[in-house]
Amino acid sequence: GNSVTQMEGPVTLSEEAFLTINCTYTATGYPSLFWYVQYPGEGLQLLLKATKADDKGSNKGFEATYRKETTSFHLEKGSVQVSDSAVYFCALSDPEGGSYIPTFGRGTSLIVHP
Amino acid sequence: DAGVIQSPRHEVTEMGQEVTLRCKPISGHNSLFWYRQTMMRGLELLIYFNNNVPIDDSGMPEDRFSAKMPNASFSTLKIQPSEPRDSAVYFCASSLTGRSSGANVLTFGAGSRLTVL
Repeated sequence: GNSVTQMEGPVTLSEEAFLTINCTYTATGYPSLFWYVQYPGEGLQLLLKATKADDKGSNKGFEATYRKETTSFHLEKGSVQVSDSAVYFCALSDPEGGSYIPTFGRGTSLIVHP
Repeated sequence: DAGVIQSPRHEVTEMGQEVTLRCKPISGHNSLFWYRQTMMRGLELLIYFNNNVPIDDSGMPEDRFSAKMPNASFSTLKIQPSEPRDSAVYFCASSLTGRSSGANVLTFGAGSRLTVL
């Protein structure tokens, strides 16, 4: 079956530090990959996505590259801000593998200090 | 579009009472998901509807939970009777799925925070 593994949190950084949150996946088909972000008290919202190998998704300074050879989709940002403090979820969707139900990782909490 | 609308945003009830959570998906979306989020278990899928039909309810914890989608613009999640361990944030999400719709991006509501005393 499909699965998504994220690094455990919380990740604690100072403002302007470099961020990496690791995500690896297993899938039976050729999935699309996503990062969602959940700010305190809110629902998840799409941050970025990539639908094929070597695609780079980007938004709000965040980037992630779909690496089929390493089955990874690591999230990066060059300089984090306090406002980036949130929980980040890696996810995949694999309809060609037989299901429209997305598979989510456990989420990684990011805390950015001024 | 106003996005996915959930109500109530907060509900406090006593053990044994019936709880009904409501969701209005985005117009034109054909898939609807109910999730539960807790600190202990993270984000759990409860049930998935496609074209108003329940496709996968394997995540529904027990018979106390039921979900309906009488039409494309409304869904309910009911807990009867409620128990303290049901305390969680319940999210509804919708998406457009199908061969021509591209990547399956979910749009989540703001959630319903349930506290059962």
